[in-house]
Amino acid sequence: DTAVSQTPKYLVTQMGNDKSIKCEQNLGHDTMYWYKQDSKKFLKIMFSYNNKELIINETVPNRFSPKSPDKAHLNLHINSLELGDSAVYFCASSRRGLAGGPGEQFFGPGTRLTVL
Amino acid sequence: AQKVTQAQTEISVVEKEDVTLDCVYETRDTTYYLFWYKQPPSGELVFLIRRNSFDEQNEISGRYSWNFQKSTSSFNFTITASQVVDSAVYFCALSDYSGGGADGLTFGKGTHLIIQP
Repeated sequence: DTAVSQTPKYLVTQMGNDKSIKCEQNLGHDTMYWYKQDSKKFLKIMFSYNNKELIINETVPNRFSPKSPDKAHLNLHINSLELGDSAVYFCASSRRGLAGGPGEQFFGPGTRLTVL
Repeated sequence: AQKVTQAQTEISVVEKEDVTLDCVYETRDTTYYLFWYKQPPSGELVFLIRRNSFDEQNEISGRYSWNFQKSTSSFNFTITASQVVDSAVYFCALSDYSGGGADGLTFGKGTHLIIQP
């Protein structure tokens, strides 16, 4: 069984469109994240959700909005897509480590978004 | 602000050589966590290790070993007797302990390791 899954795996769309990426985890974790990996492979956190509450919101354009219907899901909605949004988007989940602090983050397979 | 520096952009070695990937971090927190992840050509991110700032013991797992030195803010990763399957991009990452239960990772830019047969 897949621990963290994302759909779709590939997304090709035109500038100006609105799109969503879905993420689901079956690990029972209470924290989920979205990361963006650019063309140079640099990974940067975008959002995290803990118990359905937004905890981190880095300097991401407000065209990006995370939505969590329940603890197992964290979807990413993007409005008015721009060329610069082309990247690989990774969803991840984790629970607190045994001695406190962040545990291991399990990553989904990634969604490659291409904006034309 | 947190920062992770992986100065080696790309390393190429011949199979069976030992190779060390460097990682230097910056943080103002006294409690923090360090991670290494592997990203093979297939693209997924694979967890390798998690280490907290109070545990400076080196760790060995098969051909992999990690050297954590708080005095130099480094968390280096060594692969012994490298194999072609070790070819991947390796990321070092840092997270503080905010106590809030949700800690994002600050990643380095990654080191692309190429193991030639």
